[in-house]
Amino acid sequence: GAVVSQHPSRVICKSGTSVKIECRSLDFQATTMFWYRQFPKQSLMLMATSNEGSKATYEQGVEKDKFLINHASLTLSTLTVTSAHPEDSSFYICSARAFLGTDTQYFGPGTRLTVL
Amino acid sequence: QKEVEQNSGPLSVPEGAIASLNCTYSDRGSQSFFWYRQYSGKSPELIMSIYSNGDKEDGRFTAQLNKASQYVSLLIRDSQPSDSATYLCAVIGSGNTGKLIFGQGTTLQVKP
Repeated sequence: GAVVSQHPSRVICKSGTSVKIECRSLDFQATTMFWYRQFPKQSLMLMATSNEGSKATYEQGVEKDKFLINHASLTLSTLTVTSAHPEDSSFYICSARAFLGTDTQYFGPGTRLTVL
Repeated sequence: QKEVEQNSGPLSVPEGAIASLNCTYSDRGSQSFFWYRQYSGKSPELIMSIYSNGDKEDGRFTAQLNKASQYVSLLIRDSQPSDSATYLCAVIGSGNTGKLIFGQGTTLQVKP
């Protein structure tokens, strides 16, 4: 099956710092990757859609200057949380859609961010 | 009305029983339907996709789709305690954005 990795799996940082999360499709090329956030006991919330070589499309209410997304290749997308604050502490999950004509999304294992 | 609706549960079944999870959706033009399983503290894991009316079986799992009734279900046969998780129904709507629209998830508890 399709494998998506995320790095790091867990990160603790101080308030005001920036954190970069990588999402890689390991055995397929992904034209589109998606970034989600999930707070405890809540549903997944889509933050943005990332297409290779173009600007990300952000969902309503998601600050594009705070959550910087780059999709530089068909196997790598990055999410940078800039000037993180405690309220940004959450579980960040990426998913990737395969290159060839499928709409199935495969999820990465997630990154748990704690901002002190 | 929510776009994708699931009963949040918990749904409790004894080990070895059939668990039946249901989902309804509002966008009649939806074409792609998915079931994901999410263990506590983990990311969603794809169980099955279904695109055509009828049943689709994969091991102990059977997905059922009825587009006329806008209804998707997942049956888990011979339920095991390891099946205890939250099951997410997801739909890609007719807008061709590729975005998954999730239900709130149904928590399944399989009791030994």
